Amino acid sequence: DAKTTQPPSMDCAEGRAANLPCNHSTISGNEYVYWYRQIHSQGPQYIIHGLKNNETNEMASLIITEDRKSSTLILPHATLRDTAVYYCIVSHTGKLIFGQGTTLQVKP
Amino acid sequence: GAVVSQHPSWVICKSGTSVKIECRSLDFQATTMFWYRQFPKQSLMLMATSNEGSKATYEQGVEKDKFLINHASLTLSTLTVTSAHPEDSSFYICSASALSSYNEQFFGPGTRLTVL
Repeated sequence: DAKTTQPPSMDCAEGRAANLPCNHSTISGNEYVYWYRQIHSQGPQYIIHGLKNNETNEMASLIITEDRKSSTLILPHATLRDTAVYYCIVSHTGKLIFGQGTTLQVKP
Repeated sequence: GAVVSQHPSWVICKSGTSVKIECRSLDFQATTMFWYRQFPKQSLMLMATSNEGSKATYEQGVEKDKFLINHASLTLSTLTVTSAHPEDSSFYICSASALSSYNEQFFGPGTRLTVL
């Protein structure tokens, strides 16, 4: 499965959009992009996934570039409860290999 | 929907004893369940993948005789840490994947194991 690169940390003001980038330049054609998050001392929570097209659900939007080499997770109106470690993972086998993720700190 | 539970949520045991952790999918049938371990301030590390009715597939470096995994039904998998030692103290998390071509995983809340 392709590796991903994420910034180690980001800050966001409460109520503003949080845009979390992810690079996956070696992604292959059948690999999905998954986003999960983990709030301290809890199990990870599924957020969203996509293959080629942009996706939106009640939690977030996923923007995948046309060449699929990078993507951005957008939390449209971040709240304090969105403070967590966000993981971007690419996979086609169902196995999720977690990197270090991005620690998002939402500030009042 | 897509709720996964783990039991117990935390356990303290003496060195040399065995500990069993249960993982249940409450509202869906999980064809595949995964077990992860997470040490403090580190990311999740995949330990093994189990399919219902089959032997688990362990990741490189994970001792299959020490971490026994049973996936006897579509809603239950168990992880037994045998002859636990203090270095096995960790946060153990399971996830379950339903019959889906997208293979998204739903995670349990985790089990904190402390070996004295």
